[in-house]
Amino acid sequence: NAGVTQTPKFQVLKTGQSMTLQCAQDMNHEYMSWYRQDPGMGLRLIHYSVGAGITDQGEVPNGYNVSRSTTEDFPLRLLSAAPSQTSVYFCASSLQQGRGQPQHFGDGTRLSIL
Amino acid sequence: GQQVMQIPQYQHVQEGEDFTTYCNSSTTLSNIQWYKQRPGGHPVFLIQLVKSGEVKKQKRLTFQFGEAKKNSSLHITATQTTDVGTYFCAPGGGNKLTFGTGTQLKVEL
Repeated sequence: NAGVTQTPKFQVLKTGQSMTLQCAQDMNHEYMSWYRQDPGMGLRLIHYSVGAGITDQGEVPNGYNVSRSTTEDFPLRLLSAAPSQTSVYFCASSLQQGRGQPQHFGDGTRLSIL
Repeated sequence: GQQVMQIPQYQHVQEGEDFTTYCNSSTTLSNIQWYKQRPGGHPVFLIQLVKSGEVKKQKRLTFQFGEAKKNSSLHITATQTTDVGTYFCAPGGGNKLTFGTGTQLKVEL
């Protein structure tokens, strides 16, 4: 199993550009989520999904969209990139949430917005 | 998701010294998870605590869940350079898994 795969690993965007961060898992996990990590801020939940076709907002959802058309994939879209979205983005998955399953994280995408 | 406060934010220790990080909540937690993130890496699951007063050990790491299930701690005995990283607690239950702000541990030789 590859686990949780995130692409790209690094990306530089200009303000106003859009892009999609990809996340895929091959563990048949129901729960997937996106976090952003900024210095001194820990991990903040952006969006999450409890299963295919179901998504919901986390702590900091503004400026981001998600969809979950398959169990395996959970892409994160930045509609119009802003410098405040410069961060490291982590995708995570678990078998089920709310039942104490450990989260498996991808290696992260380091995103810079100029 | 439930909110927790994690202290301290930073800790520098000499190799061989002990280290403790604390995770405190104003509400009762159903369970709590602990993760470790090495510099430049991603968070890795360490353990989950569920029962009131639970204590679990992993080699030099000791995890505790308070009797009231409102706080938790991670204690490392005789730190080593391999312990360097940021330790996060994450209160479980519900669909929103949020994380504490983490404690960054630096170990000096």
